[in-house]
Amino acid sequence: GAVVSQHPSRVICKSGTSVKIECRSLDFQATTMFWYRQFPKKSLMLMATSNEGSKATYEQGVEKDKFLINHASLTLSTLTVTSAHPEDSSFYICSAGGQGPDTQYFGPGTRLTVL
Amino acid sequence: GENVEQHPSTLSVQEGDSAVIKCTYSDSASNYFPWYKQELGKGPQLIIDIRSNVGEKKDQRIAVTLNKTAKHFSLHITETQPEDSAVYFCAAGGSTLGRLYFGRGTQLTVWP
Repeated sequence: GAVVSQHPSRVICKSGTSVKIECRSLDFQATTMFWYRQFPKKSLMLMATSNEGSKATYEQGVEKDKFLINHASLTLSTLTVTSAHPEDSSFYICSAGGQGPDTQYFGPGTRLTVL
Repeated sequence: GENVEQHPSTLSVQEGDSAVIKCTYSDSASNYFPWYKQELGKGPQLIIDIRSNVGEKKDQRIAVTLNKTAKHFSLHITETQPEDSAVYFCAAGGSTLGRLYFGRGTQLTVWP
């Protein structure tokens, strides 16, 4: 139980294009989903918290117009990186909560490379 | 906000030995302490967690202890195996609704 999927697992795009990453909770409903960014050999950096049916809450320093988050249902949240630039290249990981207070289950991550 | 410190940053042990990773937290309102294992190129996997109403929890070769007074918690892995090699993250939750605060991670290497 508590399986979270992400798609795609890897994506390479040209600078200036937009990329959408999907996060799904496969066997449970997630009222809250989280999006993280991770740099090589570094810890997880929370980007935003999304609640189903409401606007996402972004962490300080994260541009909400660049990283668009939509949590349309209890099993799906999407992160769209708009007008991507090489500095947006990173490992993006989502997590889903809802199985217990503060419990989070992570997806496998998406490796984004912007050329 | 909450601040989680994790030590050591790297840990090398011989197969069969025990490994201990320690974390401290700053916010006494935190009441949930999960541990995650992350293998290269993959997402973190929840391996064990503990809530503040218990002091110790064990699951086969792994155990977690919590000292609320001192605000520290530890992960213990016994009889280590090469497949235990990974980055381990501790986290603290409960002080801010739904949010986890992560330590910087420990790279564990188990040598055969």
